[in-house]
Amino acid sequence: DAKTTQPPSMDCAEGRAANLPCNHSTISGNEYVYWYRQIHSQGPQYIIHGLKNNETNEMASLIITEDRKSSTLILPHATLRDTAVYYCIAGRGGADGLTFGKGTHLIIQP
Amino acid sequence: KAGVTQTPRYLIKTRGQQVTLSCSPISGHRSVSWYQQTPGQGLQFLFEYFSETQRNKGNFPGRFSGRQFSNSRSEMNVSTLELGDSALYLCASSLGTGGRQPQHFGDGTRLSIL
Repeated sequence: DAKTTQPPSMDCAEGRAANLPCNHSTISGNEYVYWYRQIHSQGPQYIIHGLKNNETNEMASLIITEDRKSSTLILPHATLRDTAVYYCIAGRGGADGLTFGKGTHLIIQP
Repeated sequence: KAGVTQTPRYLIKTRGQQVTLSCSPISGHRSVSWYQQTPGQGLQFLFEYFSETQRNKGNFPGRFSGRQFSNSRSEMNVSTLELGDSALYLCASSLGTGGRQPQHFGDGTRLSIL
């Protein structure tokens, strides 16, 4: 898997959009960008993933730059329940497994 | 649709014992992966199974093993337990084998070694 770089922590006000950046400058052409989050004592929760194009689902939007070297996860209207550690992973998934880094601890402030 | 189910949720063992953890994937999912999470090392990939075959293994000693059954359910076994094996063990399932299908995780089994 390609190495990813994320800020260790971020704050966001409740109700505002939370924008979480991720750098994956060594990503290869067949590697996806995955985002997961983990709330203490639970398993990681899948949020979204993409290869080249921007993606949106009911939880979030994923914006991938044209050169695919970085991406941004957007939570459009953050709530207190969005406080968690967010992991950005660049890899092929499947049998390769997922390589988790330290992630970004997102704290939503009331 | 039920998620990934792992049993038991908590387990306490002593050094030298062995343990078996169980994972039931999401219905229809055929790939099962196992991960270990510790405060020091974070989340690390153990191994992946598809159609009852182990297709990849992470950098863990041979004491860690697993298997998958024909109904896609999986078990992992750790023999001769060491204090350092205390961790949250997570199972993840996906529909298929490629990266297009994301992995979905259970809430894990927390193993404590005394």
